[in-house]
Amino acid sequence: QVQLVQSGAEVKKPGASVKVSCKASGYTFTSYYMHWVRQAPGQGLEWMGIINPSGGSTSYAQKFQGRVTMTRDTSTSTVYMELSSLRSEDTAVYYCARVGDWGGRNGMDVWGQGTTVTVSS
Amino acid sequence: SYELTQPLSVSVALGQTARITCGGNNIGSKNVHWYQQKPGQAPVLVIYRDSNRPSGIPERFSGSNSGNTATLTISRAQAGDEADYYCQVWDSSTYVFGTGTKVTVL
Repeated sequence: QVQLVQSGAEVKKPGASVKVSCKASGYTFTSYYMHWVRQAPGQGLEWMGIINPSGGSTSYAQKFQGRVTMTRDTSTSTVYMELSSLRSEDTAVYYCARVGDWGGRNGMDVWGQGTTVTVSS
Repeated sequence: SYELTQPLSVSVALGQTARITCGGNNIGSKNVHWYQQKPGQAPVLVIYRDSNRPSGIPERFSGSNSGNTATLTISRAQAGDEADYYCQVWDSSTYVFGTGTKVTVL
């Protein structure tokens, strides 16, 4: 079945970086784009960016420009999201989510289970 | 930047109809998607492109979109429908989520 399996929880110190992985299975990896969305404790959903696993092109939310990098490894059907210069406000659950197009015509139809990232000194 | 406004909470009696609104400037010209999120779980797509249901989503869930308001309707509400609901659109190469609505089934 189609699924996205994310890496485990992380605890990081302020100023550090974190890299979260999302391994896809059950479908053709390069036929769907992948979003990253985060959710701070008790807060709503926040879009971070999108990657095209086929060519590797990306688009990031302005808020994260310069701090986030999304990459992919087609040999393992895995996408990665790296966030640098972490601060306490980055404490959140990070999700990857699949989508069938780049222009918002389709919704995010499959989600990973989420990865909790805690930033604390 | 584009903003989507949702009511903080909606209450509905068991078996009745709940309507969740999502307000945005000329949202009727955009594709609106809706997600359900239960505590401790990842979101689930319940409506895409204004009014389409993914496979496995009950017919009780429906959507509409016109003017400055999109609406998610839950008919014959069940206890299992208690959750947070988010609308989402794409605008100017940015994906935007609504503020979220907590639905309580009484």
